[in-house]
Amino acid sequence: QLQLQESGPGLVKPSETLSLTCTVSGGSISISAYWWGWTRQSPEKGLEWIGIIRYNGDTYYKASLESRVTISVDTSRNQFSLKLNSVTAADTAVYYCARFKQVAASSLLDYWGLGTLVTVSS
Amino acid sequence: EIVLTQSPGTLSLSPGERATLSCRASQSVSRNYLAWHQQKHGQAPRLLIYGASNKATGIPDRFSGSGSGTDFTLTISRLEPEDFAVYYCQQYGTSPYTFGQGTKLEIK
Repeated sequence: QLQLQESGPGLVKPSETLSLTCTVSGGSISISAYWWGWTRQSPEKGLEWIGIIRYNGDTYYKASLESRVTISVDTSRNQFSLKLNSVTAADTAVYYCARFKQVAASSLLDYWGLGTLVTVSS
Repeated sequence: EIVLTQSPGTLSLSPGERATLSCRASQSVSRNYLAWHQQKHGQAPRLLIYGASNKATGIPDRFSGSGSGTDFTLTISRLEPEDFAVYYCQQYGTSPYTFGQGTKLEIK
């Protein structure tokens, strides 16, 4: 059974970089039919799609976050990662990693991780 | 970006009753790429419906989705105790993918 597990610091200081890793088990991250990505949830903004990556490094990001976001993939470890720099309190959220299935002209979020809370505070 | 508005915000029903949840888009959803996700407290969200009306793997028959263009509906024909949760619609036809604010389905 597919499992996605987020890991990383739960507390990040303002202006620093938020770094999270998602470890995928029960399936390979290198299958071309799937993308892997991040979504976050906060009381203020609700659910917000951040971006996706495929095993070959192709990426798509939400335009409003693109200047601060990097998603990378490590196929040897079956992991992918999120970096969000210059964080503020507005970046406090539960961050979910997820699998996205390639469909015609898009990708469908079909499997979620459990999520991890990241708080931005000094 | 496409704004999704869900109604009602909270729906209070009893087990065995029928639930109808609405999702309205600010512009037409391309290819009717509209999904519904269920979120229970302390659990990972899960995909219920994709392409407006297709059930994801393992989803019971009491769940159904309908609609096209800008108006979509999730129907639960007879509520089971485990169905009380928060439901989100999501469009994946146009980047950035966006979500509705959610409908909380609570026990009356």
